[in-house]
Amino acid sequence: KNEVEQSPQNLTAQEGEFITINCSYSVGISALHWLQQHPGGGIVSLFMLSSGKKKHGRLIATINIQEKHSSLHITASHPRDSAVYICAAVTSGSRLTFGEGTQLTVNP
Amino acid sequence: DAGVTQSPTHLIKTRGQHVTLRCSPISGHKSVSWYQQVLGQGPQFIFQYYEKEERGRGNFPDRFSARQFPNYSSELNVNALLLGDSALYLCASSLGLAGVRETQYFGPGTRLLVL
Repeated sequence: KNEVEQSPQNLTAQEGEFITINCSYSVGISALHWLQQHPGGGIVSLFMLSSGKKKHGRLIATINIQEKHSSLHITASHPRDSAVYICAAVTSGSRLTFGEGTQLTVNP
Repeated sequence: DAGVTQSPTHLIKTRGQHVTLRCSPISGHKSVSWYQQVLGQGPQFIFQYYEKEERGRGNFPDRFSARQFPNYSSELNVNALLLGDSALYLCASSLGLAGVRETQYFGPGTRLLVL
């Protein structure tokens, strides 16, 4: 069992839909990152959070430390949101442990 | 200001060869981390360097080594390449040790193909 698990693995949505990607972890963490990876490999950090909720534009990230669970929400999804979304937990030694990623496709 | 840069962008090697990948962090960043991402999977932590010292190592064989230079740039070396080493190698930099208060900034990666 991976220390960090994401669901779903693949997600297809229609433009405008509300999207939720989930991340569960089984180890102690000090923080959790949500990352976006576009075709070609470049990774962009979307959020880093250790408690509560953060919002940036149409993106919202939440974390529940007690339940060891985080969610990434995208409101009013758009085709340009199509990418792989990866959660990464900051575990011992300040290293990142990554989930497998969620491939999101938003159709026009 | 330039972001994290990596070179080369693509590389093809044959089994048994050696490869050196390079990373230049964002100016002022003192920490560099290396990750391996096999196709279809999430990245795996290889090394973290801070102030030229190794501060963390993932579950990779001794064929993998790295170092950080006085200007904080870094090299990842892989000896005796195997087919399974084919992957995207990502470098990320941060001001300090990557942790609660540190955002990591990723480079574009080096795509290595071992034939």
